[in-house]
Amino acid sequence: AQSVTQPDIHITVSEGASLELRCNYSYGATPYLFWYVQSPGQGLQLLLKYFSGDTLVQGIKGFEAEFKRSQSSFNLRKPSVHWSDAAEYFCAVGATNYGQNFVFGPGTRLSVLP
Amino acid sequence: EAGVTQSPTHLIKTRGQQATLRCSPISGHTSVYWYQQALGLGLQFLLWYDEGEERNRGNFPPRFSGRQFPNYSSELNVNALELEDSALYLCASSSLGGTQHFGDGTRLSIL
Repeated sequence: AQSVTQPDIHITVSEGASLELRCNYSYGATPYLFWYVQSPGQGLQLLLKYFSGDTLVQGIKGFEAEFKRSQSSFNLRKPSVHWSDAAEYFCAVGATNYGQNFVFGPGTRLSVLP
Repeated sequence: EAGVTQSPTHLIKTRGQQATLRCSPISGHTSVYWYQQALGLGLQFLLWYDEGEERNRGNFPPRFSGRQFPNYSSELNVNALELEDSALYLCASSSLGGTQHFGDGTRLSIL
């Protein structure tokens, strides 16, 4: 069965510092991988996705993620965090790009210190 | 382009009542997904509709049901409400094979 773990429940960083959010998945084949962000009281916004090809994926808002098959990881990074990045971040895995077998991780809450 | 819209924003019900949540997908999208985001339980997949048919269902009891209309909008119905049904219910839409885009959700509170 597919599963996603995000080891860090809550991370606090200072504005301007770099960020890495961890995501590990369990899946039998090459999965479709996603990172979503959820601001308080709002729905989820897609940051980036990986299907195949280049293992370093660029997304919106200056985020990037790297797929590492050997480590079953898809960590999200940003070189310099802005106060507006404070939100909940979800990693997700799917057998395809859409509905069937789409599984989310538990989320990591990011706080940003001024 | 209008995004996924959900109504109402907030819904307050009492135990045993029935709740109806609505979702309008992005124009051109034929698939609608429903998720439950309950405190401490994360995002859990509820239902997937495409072209008016239920395509997949998560591990939820039958009192969670829904439908998709010819215009691709969707309703989620929850019967015999229980306290643990209190959650944010998120709707997403996509074209078949496309990426899911989410609405802002309906906050359902059970008193």
